[in-house]
Amino acid sequence: DIQMTQSPSSLSASVGDRVTITCRASQSIGSYLNWYQQKPGKAPKLLIYAASSLQSRVPSRFSGSGSGTDFTLTVSSLQPEDFATYYCQQSYSTPTWTFGQGTKVEIK
Amino acid sequence: QVQLQQSGPGLVKPSQTLSLTCAISGDSVSSNSAAWNWIRQSPSRGLEWLGRTYYRSKWYYDYAGSVKSRITMNPDTAKNQFSLQLNSVTPEDTAMYYCARDLVIDIGAGGLHYFFDYWGPGTLVTVSS
Repeated sequence: DIQMTQSPSSLSASVGDRVTITCRASQSIGSYLNWYQQKPGKAPKLLIYAASSLQSRVPSRFSGSGSGTDFTLTVSSLQPEDFATYYCQQSYSTPTWTFGQGTKVEIK
Repeated sequence: QVQLQQSGPGLVKPSQTLSLTCAISGDSVSSNSAAWNWIRQSPSRGLEWLGRTYYRSKWYYDYAGSVKSRITMNPDTAKNQFSLQLNSVTPEDTAMYYCARDLVIDIGAGGLHYFFDYWGPGTLVTVSS
C-alpha cells in the first residue's frame, strides 16, 4: 500500500496566520491527492481534490499544491473555524486508498 | 443534497459479527457515477478504507486486503441503503465507522480522480465482552 506521511503532526497558530501542512507519498501519485478537514465528533469534510481543485462551497483561503510525492495544503489566513485536524488521502491506487495520519491545528 | 444515515449496534462481542447499515437520501445506491464505501477511524490505525460497492450494469465489490477475509457489503435497492458485515471481530476492530460516497471526476489528461464527498455521521463500535 502507498504510505502517506504528514508533517507536522500538530501545530499552534493564531487567527490570521498563514498555515502550511505537508503530505508526502511513499511513491509518485501524480496529482491524485485529496485533503479533508475533521472537527471533533464530526466526519471528515472534503476540502481539496486532485491536489489543487477546491471543493464546492469551501472558502478560497484554502489551497492545495504539489504533484508526484510532495503536496501542501495552505490556509492563507487562519479563521477560528479552521482549528481542526487535516488529513491527506491518495486516490492513485484505486480503490486501495490510504490516508495520512493527520495534522492537528490548534490555537496558539 | 446527499445525506447518509447510519444505524447499528455500538457494542459487539469478540468473535461475533459487526453489522451496520447506511441509508442514502438524495442519491441512489444504484447510481452509475458513485460508489458506496465504509471507512473506519481509530487512534491506533487512523483512517482506514474498508471497502466499497457500486453498480455499473452489475454490482461490484472492492475490499481492503486487511479485512478481505472477514468483510461483506450488500446493497439494498428497495430501501436505498447498503450494509457492512465484519465477521470474527476482535478488540482491534473497535473504531468509529463511517459510510461515505465516492465520486469520480475526469479533469482531463486522461485522469480519473476519486474522492469522498459525502460522509455519514459515524457509529462508534466497541468490541468487548
